[in-house]
Amino acid sequence: SQQGEEDPQALSIQEGENATMNCSYKTSINNLQWYRQNSGRGLVHLILIRSNEREKHSGRLRVTLDTSKKSSSLLITASRAADTASYFCATDFGMRGKLTFGQGTILTVHP
Amino acid sequence: DTAVSQTPKYLVTQMGNDKSIKCEQNLGHDTMYWYKQDSKKFLKIMFSYNNKELIINETVPNRFSPKSPDKAHLNLHINSLELGDSAVYFCASSQYPGQGNEQYFGPGTRLTVT
Repeated sequence: SQQGEEDPQALSIQEGENATMNCSYKTSINNLQWYRQNSGRGLVHLILIRSNEREKHSGRLRVTLDTSKKSSSLLITASRAADTASYFCATDFGMRGKLTFGQGTILTVHP
Repeated sequence: DTAVSQTPKYLVTQMGNDKSIKCEQNLGHDTMYWYKQDSKKFLKIMFSYNNKELIINETVPNRFSPKSPDKAHLNLHINSLELGDSAVYFCASSQYPGQGNEQYFGPGTRLTVT
């Protein structure tokens, strides 16, 4: 399966702490994307990193990509209770826009 | 304004029935998708249309039939519903996928088959 794998499956932290989620995949990619899903809602795009990029920032988000290890990480700094959600990585293998999603990391940030 | 909208938000029906879910996007995107999210939150693509042309058709039962009357609309019709069809169905859209663009998701339709 080309499906990405994420770890941890669940992460519980206190407000103000940093949260790191990891994603691994199996074959070469065009790009990798991270999405957030709040309970009962649709997915919201957070950040896209292309295969020739190693690191990208967006506000409190930092994404890294290591194509040699076929892995990516999402770091959320200074977390807030509002960051509580499921986070998914999605890989684009260049197949007409098809995204393959990981099983997600459930992040709980305690106030 | 809602970018990607779906109706209905909830759908409860009995086995054997036929139902449809509608999706509309006002982003001017060329490509629309249907995803299925199961009870374990696993999200899997089902179909994709680019400018009314079917470009992705994953291995789904042929009881599922997508229809795109124009590039802003993508509907999903399901015949002879089964218990295993219970899930949340998401519609999404993006610019032409070759650009590697982000996808915009609708709020989802929770389908419960009893």
